[in-house]
Amino acid sequence: EVQLVESGGGVVQPGGSLRLSCAASGFTFDDYAMHWVRQAPGKGLEWVSLISGDGGSTYYADSVKGRFTISRDNSKNSLYLQMNSLRTEDTALYYCAKDYGRHLPGFGMDVWGQGTTVTVSS
Amino acid sequence: QSALTQPPSASGSPGQSVTISCTGTSSDVGGYNYVSWYQQHPGKAPKLMIYEVSKRPSGVPDRFSGSKSGNTASLTVSGLQAEDEADYYCSSYAGSNKGVVFGGGTKLTVL
Repeated sequence: EVQLVESGGGVVQPGGSLRLSCAASGFTFDDYAMHWVRQAPGKGLEWVSLISGDGGSTYYADSVKGRFTISRDNSKNSLYLQMNSLRTEDTALYYCAKDYGRHLPGFGMDVWGQGTTVTVSS
Repeated sequence: QSALTQPPSASGSPGQSVTISCTGTSSDVGGYNYVSWYQQHPGKAPKLMIYEVSKRPSGVPDRFSGSKSGNTASLTVSGLQAEDEADYYCSSYAGSNKGVVFGGGTKLTVL
């Protein structure tokens, strides 16, 4: 069974840092690009970042560029999101998602985790 | 403000068809065939319903179809059923600088 399980969320003060993790199973992890997508309470989906299967290419939303870093460890079938200089507007449920395109990203997500909650508050 | 524009709500009676639009620009929807549609029920993770404008993943009913004309993509749900009531989001690739952009979402109500 294809599965994604996020962890690492929590409550952090503005300006603080947090590292999210996503454990993948049930598919050949390094064949697929991976995404982070977030959803603020009561709001819509916002794409955050994408990393290619080999980790060589990364993409970021303007709202997080320079503050967040996406990475992956293919030996551990794991995806990460390092979040620095956190702001109150970063408060959201963060989803890890698998791209549907094998080897080349299709820029769409066919498998989603259940999300991990990040709250930025003083 | 979302990069792609969707109507906030749509509705239809059981058995009817409803179409949800997703309007972008030539830099996203109009420039690439990487448009996807997602269904999200309350408290649940999104589910991919359409990818590459009009392709359906395995397991998605053929009542769901997608299309694109110029800078506007559309999702049509035919033969509406009660379980189709959900939020629907479109997304598109927007180039290497912007990555992926989402629409603001459309709440579909089955009357």
